[in-house]
Amino acid sequence: ETGVTQSPTHLIKTRGQQVTLRCSSQSGHNTVSWYQQALGQGPQFIFQYYREEENGRGNFPPRFSGLQFPNYSSELNVNALELDDSALYLCASSLGGLAGMYEQYFGPGTRLTVT
Amino acid sequence: AQTVTQSQPEMSVQEAETVTLSCTYDTSENNYYLFWYKQPPSRQMILVIRQEAYKQQNATENRFSVNFQKAAKSFSLKISDSQLGDTAMYFCAYRSGGSNYKLTFGKGTLLTVNP
Repeated sequence: ETGVTQSPTHLIKTRGQQVTLRCSSQSGHNTVSWYQQALGQGPQFIFQYYREEENGRGNFPPRFSGLQFPNYSSELNVNALELDDSALYLCASSLGGLAGMYEQYFGPGTRLTVT
Repeated sequence: AQTVTQSQPEMSVQEAETVTLSCTYDTSENNYYLFWYKQPPSRQMILVIRQEAYKQQNATENRFSVNFQKAAKSFSLKISDSQLGDTAMYFCAYRSGGSNYKLTFGKGTLLTVNP
């Protein structure tokens, strides 16, 4: 059973550019959540995808968008990058469903630096 | 909206001793889950322990146990027989019992285990 993987590990972008981060969920998981973790802070929920549909969104502007694919992998896209977007971006996968009691398993994260 | 507060930014403990990390939360919901996650310097977030709000019995996982006080909205983590490998950021997290599996995190406590 493979765990959650993310790519790339590190990324440096310039303000105004666009970036795409990728996440492969753990085998058998159909739900992916994305979090932004600024330095010295706890992770903040960006959005979640369940079976390819958005299933909740945090307080992030529309320039943060996402996709989930039929194999349940996911992308996070950020347009018009701002300096404050510099953070560790975490992806977490879980087995979603009516019970709502399944743990989220986190990937190692992508460190994004915006200059 | 739910909030999670960790009032201890940093703590230290001697190896083999016991330490307790504090967490309080605010919610109007009756059905929810609480978690403690560990984030070592390598940064991958790992689930330490989970507590369902409907369960009165405190959760225990080997050297890790919680003191869940529902009325007081308190959820502390006790680590017994501390080991050097326990050095990490510890995050308390809340999740609603509904279909959106969003995790709300505290700001974290940096625990250092000294030899």
